[in-house]
Amino acid sequence: TQLLEQSPQFLSIQEGENLTVYCNSSSVFSSLQWYRQEPGEGPVLLVTVVTGGEVKKLKRLTFQFGDARKDSSLHITAAQPGDTGLYLCAIQGAQKLVFGQGTRLTINP
Amino acid sequence: EAQVTQNPRYLITVTGKKLTVTCSQNMNHEYMSWYRQDPGLGLRQIYYSMNVEVTDKGDVPEGYKVSRKEKRNFPLILESPSPNQTSLYFCASSPPTGYYGYTFGSGTRLTVV
Repeated sequence: TQLLEQSPQFLSIQEGENLTVYCNSSSVFSSLQWYRQEPGEGPVLLVTVVTGGEVKKLKRLTFQFGDARKDSSLHITAAQPGDTGLYLCAIQGAQKLVFGQGTRLTINP
Repeated sequence: EAQVTQNPRYLITVTGKKLTVTCSQNMNHEYMSWYRQDPGLGLRQIYYSMNVEVTDKGDVPEGYKVSRKEKRNFPLILESPSPNQTSLYFCASSPPTGYYGYTFGSGTRLTVV
């Protein structure tokens, strides 16, 4: 069983649409990180959320940490082709990052 | 620019021929780690290092070695590569807790034939 469940696994939408991807767990976390990975490149940190209920914005991306600190969401407004990539949530485990399986997002022009 | 540099980016080799993938970071981070990424299996940790001369196994260490003689460098060594080590490899570094995120290298795509 995955510690972090991400949904959907795949998402393909048109440019300009809005979308939300989710990262869920039955465990409580002290913090959670979101990364974006483009094909053939390493994951790049987007944000770390720490406080239950916290909302962070990064241009058109809005990240939310659940009140109970068991889940998180990423909302993208007016998606653009440059948003295409693999979105990974991760938590700090014992001496390592534990990743979800990711949401592979494709934005079609 | 703060970064983690891996070399080479691409490597094709034959079974049994020893190879080293280099990793260097310029952020003075204590913690460094190696991951491999495979379709359907996600990112899995191979080895990590908390500081110079301190290394330990991750989830999939078989067939790999590492060393940490200097703070900035953390090479990954495959003494006798096999086809099941064909994968995309990433080096990462962070401050001690990793709480505020890791910096990843651009990756090394290794093919063992």
